[in-house]
Amino acid sequence: EAGVVQSPRYKIIEKKQPVAFWCNPISGHNTLYWYLQNLGQGPELLIRYENEEAVDDSQLPKDRFSAERLKGVDSTLKIQPAELGDSAVYLCASSGRTSGRSPQGNEQFFGPGTRLTVL
Amino acid sequence: LAKTTQPISMDSYEGQEVNITCSHNNIATNDYITWYQQFPSQGPRFIIQGYKTKVTNEVASLFIPADRKSSTLSLPRVSLSDTAVYYCLVGDKGGGFKTIFGAGTRLFVKA
Repeated sequence: EAGVVQSPRYKIIEKKQPVAFWCNPISGHNTLYWYLQNLGQGPELLIRYENEEAVDDSQLPKDRFSAERLKGVDSTLKIQPAELGDSAVYLCASSGRTSGRSPQGNEQFFGPGTRLTVL
Repeated sequence: LAKTTQPISMDSYEGQEVNITCSHNNIATNDYITWYQQFPSQGPRFIIQGYKTKVTNEVASLFIPADRKSSTLSLPRVSLSDTAVYYCLVGDKGGGFKTIFGAGTRLFVKA
């Protein structure tokens, strides 16, 4: 079974430029998460989707960040314009109703992330 | 949301058993305890999840006392490849399920 796919793996841009990250979750997983991870810290949830609906976007900086999951499958996270402080790894994860080994059925499967550097 | 507290780092030697304890004094009745592992340049990976007493799988054991205010992840006979960051999470799968990772515990296994 293919895992969570993210692209690009690395991105270097200048500040004020736009950037987009793409995620394709594991087939059949209805829940999709986007996280931000700064160096030396744990992942921080940005947004969670249940199918195509964003059910938790309370931590998403909506002035510059946006996300979409139009058909309830793959998703795009965009930053416009990027700032120096946005340099981080952006992780995508997915889970299904009976996901993995978790008794709660909510084991999250993570992609490798996109490392963003804003100059 | 229940906040978790874990040691920032731990050192161990190959072949030893490692126990990482997580405090979650405000855990709610419906909350489960979940542990993830993260290697450099990779996303976190699920290790184990439990609600009470003891849970064991092929990778680790999770011990949860009766009051559930803490939990201990036990890694038997660690190897160099177990060097990673370990995160303890507490949450409920219900409508308001949130995932808060915290800073985690950096485990360094030495030869």
